[in-house]
Amino acid sequence: GENVEQHPSTLSVQEGDSAVIKCTYSDSASNYFPWYKQELGKGPQLIIDIRSNVGEKKDQRIAVTLNKTAKHFSLHITETQPEDSAVYFCAASELIQGAQKLVFGQGTRLTINP
Amino acid sequence: SAVISQKPSRDICQRGTSLTIQCQVDSQVTMMFWYRQQPGQSLTLIATANQGSEATYESGFVIDKFPISRPNLTFSTLTVSNMSPEDSSIYLCSVEGPPQAGNTIYFGEGSWLTVV
Repeated sequence: GENVEQHPSTLSVQEGDSAVIKCTYSDSASNYFPWYKQELGKGPQLIIDIRSNVGEKKDQRIAVTLNKTAKHFSLHITETQPEDSAVYFCAASELIQGAQKLVFGQGTRLTINP
Repeated sequence: SAVISQKPSRDICQRGTSLTIQCQVDSQVTMMFWYRQQPGQSLTLIATANQGSEATYESGFVIDKFPISRPNLTFSTLTVSNMSPEDSSIYLCSVEGPPQAGNTIYFGEGSWLTVV
């Protein structure tokens, strides 16, 4: 089955700098790669996603890149702000029998230092 | 996006008891999923709940421990049976959006269970 590795486990950056979180996956059949932000005491919130037919996607300060050949995808946050501090999870999935079953990475705790 | 409501949001449970978590969605969805997030850990899929059929469980999870109901297209329940302290986790309901919206997966706020 699918296995997703996420690095780093913790990341601390100065406010205004960029943050990059990287994930690798094992199953070449995976075709959907979402990123979630989880704040303390809350459920995961989808922040951006990408499908295997696209190499890059951007939404304001957030971008995701996908390299299907190398089986890795990355989250890029530019001009970081204190409210970006949270735990970020990547995930990979394949549509199986109509169900999008997500396999998650281990999470990255991002801290933005003012 | 879908609005997902879970009840209870938090609970402290006695060892050996069972608790049922409810998940209500503001729109009809085909697929609903239940995930577990143990303290400080990532999310793991427990089962997929399709309306009108038996839930499909992932490896390591069984129906006797985590019975699931899916009576209609907007509602599902997960029961955590005969709880032990190891069941202390966040239990998350998620839904899959329509194909025209890309089958995006959305999560509720979770039910935070502590077993004592």
